[in-house]
Amino acid sequence: SSELTQDPAVSVALGQTVRITCQGDSLRSYYASWYQQKPGQAPVLVIHGKNNRPSGIPDRFSGSSSGNTASLTITGAQAEDEADYYCNSRDNSGNHLVVFGGGTKLTVL
Amino acid sequence: EVQLVQSGVEVKKPGESLRISCKGSGYSFTTYWISWVRQMPGKGLEWMGRIDPTDSYTNYSPSFQGHVIISTDTSINTAYLHWSSLQASDTAIYYCARQYCGGDCSPFDYWGQGTLVTVSS
Repeated sequence: SSELTQDPAVSVALGQTVRITCQGDSLRSYYASWYQQKPGQAPVLVIHGKNNRPSGIPDRFSGSSSGNTASLTITGAQAEDEADYYCNSRDNSGNHLVVFGGGTKLTVL
Repeated sequence: EVQLVQSGVEVKKPGESLRISCKGSGYSFTTYWISWVRQMPGKGLEWMGRIDPTDSYTNYSPSFQGHVIISTDTSINTAYLHWSSLQASDTAIYYCARQYCGGDCSPFDYWGQGTLVTVSS
């Protein structure tokens, strides 16, 4: 399967912890990467691999994976974390294609 | 500083052709593959396809195969996305992004700023 499924919207109270999930068969074999996109801006990589943060990404962002589900956790969500979050991985069709999840809109209350 | 700088806003009519560009700087252009990603108005990210600038090998999402062509000009460190006949449904923001592919591929670590393409009669 080449699909990655995300909840369309999630909300979190300021300072609380939120988990955004991504499900797909290919995640049993490959790690997901996570991208943050704010309105009018290009996506930004926030988590990749087992749990790797690029330089400049706050350590409140973390990633994990179990079975066919990858998760992005924000511990102590801040107002500036309000954004769309997309997971992506390669598909497992053997064609080395790339797939994105449908995205999750995170609202920080 | 690594940068991917894309060409500007385009307004075209259905049936017209178009080529948009993505110029890489601050790194070895041929070391990283370039992908193109579509984002239709108010919608999510869709991977269209990618190219290895070293040998121009490409692979495309089945959803875009045959509708667009991805190419590069390594003499000017630039990747292109080309349509021969635009449709109104091609209206979207198009992003380029780079990834290192050696065995397996790394995530998209740098993105262009996006090119807005509007197709309307």
